[in-house]
Amino acid sequence: DTAVSQTPKYLVTQMGNDKSIKCEQNLGHDTMYWYKQDSKKFLKIMFSYNNKELIINETVPNRFSPKSPDKAHLNLHINSLELGDSAVYFCASTRTGTEAFFGQGTRLTVV
Amino acid sequence: AQRVTQPEKLLSVFKGAPVELKCNYSYSGSPELFWYVQYSRQRLQLLLRHISRESIKGFTADLNKGETSFHLKKPFAQEEDSAMYYCALLTGGGNKLTFGTGTQLKVEL
Repeated sequence: DTAVSQTPKYLVTQMGNDKSIKCEQNLGHDTMYWYKQDSKKFLKIMFSYNNKELIINETVPNRFSPKSPDKAHLNLHINSLELGDSAVYFCASTRTGTEAFFGQGTRLTVV
Repeated sequence: AQRVTQPEKLLSVFKGAPVELKCNYSYSGSPELFWYVQYSRQRLQLLLRHISRESIKGFTADLNKGETSFHLKKPFAQEEDSAMYYCALLTGGGNKLTFGTGTQLKVEL
């Protein structure tokens, strides 16, 4: 019944590795987001997709590549992980202009 | 460019005291504003939005276009209100939700 689900919940990996975080929503929403929440709890938008198309890319390094195979999924692939990538990543979805529903977050730790 | 400012990183009040979490925005268009809340170890969830003009869990927020503010208020704080509160602005034709830096509310007994 979970509206927005992310996997994995925790991810610990070494510098230089490539990893992916998956997000799925079953709400029929047309807009999906990725946010990064740093250690100070700042919540910064990374990407926004509408109907599988990239709408917003907020100056995120190109090591981060979102992929939306369909409207219900927005995955985040990260290449060559760096220590500074350690954060909690949140996926969210909305029907354009309405309330955003968030996933439970993925805590990424790069060691 | 749009911007959301929450000047207080931490707000500590006693139970039963009034609460006001400040939010100011910068946007040239017609703003659509929200308050989201994140309780400990839970996901972010919507608390209220300005167009609804409703009270949720005793919280209200009024959009003041003259002062470009959307402050969140509650007359009597409860212990269960302790959480992280984010003000958010929706722009980009409804495709960009920008958050403020958040205010941690701590309600003490």
